[in-house]
Amino acid sequence: GAGVSQSPSNKVTEKGKDVELRCDPISGHTALYWYRQSLGQGLEFLIYFQGNSAPDKSGLPSDRFSAERTGGSVSTLTIQRTQQEDSAVYLCASSLWEGNEQFFGPGTRLTVL
Amino acid sequence: GQQLNQSPQSMFIQEGEDVSMNCTSSSIFNTWLWYKQDPGEGPVLLIALYKAGELTSNGRLTAQFGITRKDSFLNISASIPSDVGIYFCAGVTTSGTYKYIFGTGTRLKVLA
Repeated sequence: GAGVSQSPSNKVTEKGKDVELRCDPISGHTALYWYRQSLGQGLEFLIYFQGNSAPDKSGLPSDRFSAERTGGSVSTLTIQRTQQEDSAVYLCASSLWEGNEQFFGPGTRLTVL
Repeated sequence: GQQLNQSPQSMFIQEGEDVSMNCTSSSIFNTWLWYKQDPGEGPVLLIALYKAGELTSNGRLTAQFGITRKDSFLNISASIPSDVGIYFCAGVTTSGTYKYIFGTGTRLKVLA
């Protein structure tokens, strides 16, 4: 596609439920990144993929968070047993190669009640 | 997580004024990126800098990669109301894996 797309754009869930967030990177981009942004805050790195492998998972805040990328394209970020503190905007970005400039999607706003 | 020091945190300026913001770090970066984020949207890339000392312009925007590789600044000339938003710097470093470290953001408000 023309840009990075993310779905859903908004997700409201109950505490304890699992959620899946999806990211479609720019076609041909080999690197894909996930960030979390709390209200009025900066970007918190979560994980990135180069191809299908994840060289850096250091930003995942707990073992309730996981991500996968298959076929070197679409990625899914899964949050299990959601907590209220997980409420934030989850941003995905892609770049041609790791280390290049990143292009961001519009984000998924997650609200955990 | 690790973040860059970005200043000012916020600023109100009059339309037509020039704006300057900067990012500093104790670490060396290979690349500096500047982004603008509007409410409810993802950050949009404004300028990318790849070499120490590099000065790059994009319309009314000018950014420089500091000689020490530890800082960068962004200038906006003749500000207009649509410049309002949050501006983020990001430094990219490679030490085994690539790391993108984002600044804390500068909130810009332009008074017409």
